[in-house]
Amino acid sequence: AQSVAQPEDQVNVAEGNPLTVKCTYSVSGNPYLFWYVQYPNRGLQFLLKYITGDNLVKGSYGFEAEFNKSQTSFHLKKPSALVSDSALYFCAVRDSGGGADGLTFGKGTHLIIQP
Amino acid sequence: DADVTQTPRNRITKTGKRIMLECSQTKGHDRMYWYRQDPGLGLRLIYYSFDVKDINKGEISDGYSVSRQAQAKFSLSLESAIPNQTALYFCATSDRGLIQTQYFGPGTRLLVL
Repeated sequence: AQSVAQPEDQVNVAEGNPLTVKCTYSVSGNPYLFWYVQYPNRGLQFLLKYITGDNLVKGSYGFEAEFNKSQTSFHLKKPSALVSDSALYFCAVRDSGGGADGLTFGKGTHLIIQP
Repeated sequence: DADVTQTPRNRITKTGKRIMLECSQTKGHDRMYWYRQDPGLGLRLIYYSFDVKDINKGEISDGYSVSRQAQAKFSLSLESAIPNQTALYFCATSDRGLIQTQYFGPGTRLLVL
């Protein structure tokens, strides 16, 4: 079985400061990892993904994520937060070996950027 | 993503009523999915379809049914709606490649009274 944990329901960051949204995962094989963002009254938008290769993945809107296999983590980061980054963020995983269907999502983390 | 559309965007219905939510996509993807989102629970998979003749139950399929009318259309039905089906419903699509990044519609907000 595959699972994702987002340990923080909410993260508060001052504008201009670096931000981190945490995600840990569990799969039996190698993971495909994704981050999505949901703005109010909108669907989920794809931000970035890790498949293989470089552990630091760059995505949309200046976001990046670092894959750490030993810690089974895939934390989302941004060097300088913007108020417009305030949204709900979801981490998701799929086992590259198949056998599981669809993505398994974390419960989401509300990111609040304070002016 | 404008390539994945859902209708209606909002719906209020009463307990016991049948309701259908529709999803259409122009991305040319083979795979389509239905999820529901509840506060604090993230997204949970209801049904998915790998092509027109392949439909599969997800994590929480009880009380729901689906129809894949064409490659581009995937409908979700609640045969007899109940209040705990009040949620935000999302359709998603992906290609059949190795990675299968999913792209989501704007969602349907359903309230069952």
